Amino acid sequence: SQKIEQNSEALNIQEGKTATLTCNYTNYSPAYLQWYRQDPGRGPVFLLLIRENEKEKRKERLKVTFDTTLKQSLFHITASQPADSATYLCALETGTASKLTFGTGTRLQVTL
Amino acid sequence: EPEVTQTPSHQVTQMGQEVILRCVPISNHLYFYWYRQILGQKVEFLVSFYNNEISEKSEIFDDQFSVERPDGSNFTLKIRSTKLEDSAMYFCASRLDFETQYFGPGTRLLVL
Repeated sequence: SQKIEQNSEALNIQEGKTATLTCNYTNYSPAYLQWYRQDPGRGPVFLLLIRENEKEKRKERLKVTFDTTLKQSLFHITASQPADSATYLCALETGTASKLTFGTGTRLQVTL
Repeated sequence: EPEVTQTPSHQVTQMGQEVILRCVPISNHLYFYWYRQILGQKVEFLVSFYNNEISEKSEIFDDQFSVERPDGSNFTLKIRSTKLEDSAMYFCASRLDFETQYFGPGTRLLVL
């Protein structure tokens, strides 16, 4: 069966440290993978997209890697801040209409 | 920056009633989607729409659901006879050609 798993439901880290979130998938061959941020009661906000032929993508303090052999993506937030506290969603492009299939998300809490 | 908008932000309805959720996608976008998120669960795909027709739909999107793009700007989701289990956040999303989908803030639907 097809599955998308994000490593942990919750992750607590101290301000200034690097947060690393994991997304693993099985039985998919996505052309690209996206990471979104979701705050409580709000819609997902697009952060980064990485294509199957790309190993790494960066945007400011964010970095994402994509290993299609391991079927895994890692999402890093460096120099984390309390404002980074949110749920982070991994989403794979699947299907003919490029619908997104989401993981369950990892709730990140950055403390002072 | 252009954004997807949704109305209403909250909707309370009685079981068996019809509801229409409205979305205004980003103006030059071509592909439109509805997703839903039951409280505490992951974001789930409902339907995709392109060139004035449904391109893909999930098992959730049964005969009680319909979508329409009545004019050049609005995109609606109708639930004909709501059930308790339809209570969720409903998100509209749009994209231009390939890749990134941009989500609206959502409509919280509560069926009593």
